Amino acid sequence: QQQVKQSPQSLIVQKGGISIINCAYENTAFDYFPWYQQFPGKGPALLIAIRPDVSEKKEGRFTISFNKSAKQFSLHIMDSQPGDSATYFCAARKTSGSRLTFGEGTQLTVNP
Amino acid sequence: GAGVSQSPRYKVAKRGQDVALRCDPISGHVSLFWYQQALGQGPEFLTYFQNEAQLDKSGLPSDRFFAERPEGSVSTLKIQRTQQEDSAVYLCASSLVRWGQREKLFFGSGTQLSVL
Repeated sequence: QQQVKQSPQSLIVQKGGISIINCAYENTAFDYFPWYQQFPGKGPALLIAIRPDVSEKKEGRFTISFNKSAKQFSLHIMDSQPGDSATYFCAARKTSGSRLTFGEGTQLTVNP
Repeated sequence: GAGVSQSPRYKVAKRGQDVALRCDPISGHVSLFWYQQALGQGPEFLTYFQNEAQLDKSGLPSDRFFAERPEGSVSTLKIQRTQQEDSAVYLCASSLVRWGQREKLFFGSGTQLSVL
C-alpha cells in the first residue's frame, strides 16, 4: 500500500530552468512533510520540510508548496543547476508516529 | 565522527548466512532509525530506538531481522538465514532529540547487502 505517491519518476531539465516534483498522500494524520536529496552511494539528506499549517516554505532556490485540501505537496527548484542532479524523495510522518513514509523517488537530471 | 557511520560499506552473503550491520550515530543523538532501501525505491522503515529502548519494530519484515542498541549509542541490525529478497541498502539515521520535537534526521551512507 503506497501511502505517498510521487511523480514524475524521472525529470530532465535544462540549466537555469525550474524543476517541479509532485507528491500526493492519503493519510490525513500526516503532519510533517520533508523532502530529501540523495546522491549515488550516499544516504538521503534533508533538503526542506513543511508542516500543514502553512501553504508555502522557501529556502534559497527550493520551495515547498502545500495544498492541504487536495492532500498534495510539491518541490520547486528554481534556477536548476547540474549539481542538483540527484534523486529526490518526498516523505510524510504521522502526528504520533516515528516512521517516515517515503515516495518512490524522482531522478532529476539537469543538463548544462 | 562528523556524521552517521555505517559498516561494512558492502556485504556479500551466501543465502542462509547470518549478517550483522553496524551503525555509529552522531555522538549524543537520542533517536536512531533503520531503513531498508531496495534498488530504485524509497527507503522503508524498519525500526526505531530512543536511547537503548526499541520503541517501534513494526517495520521489521520477519523474525529473521533483529536490531539492538544496548548502551544507547551504537546499533546493530542482524539478519539471520539471509534470503535473496533481503538484498538492499540498509540505512541508519539518527537525530539529536526525541522524535517529534522538530528534529532533523541525519542518514548514513548505508550498507549495501547482496545475497547470492
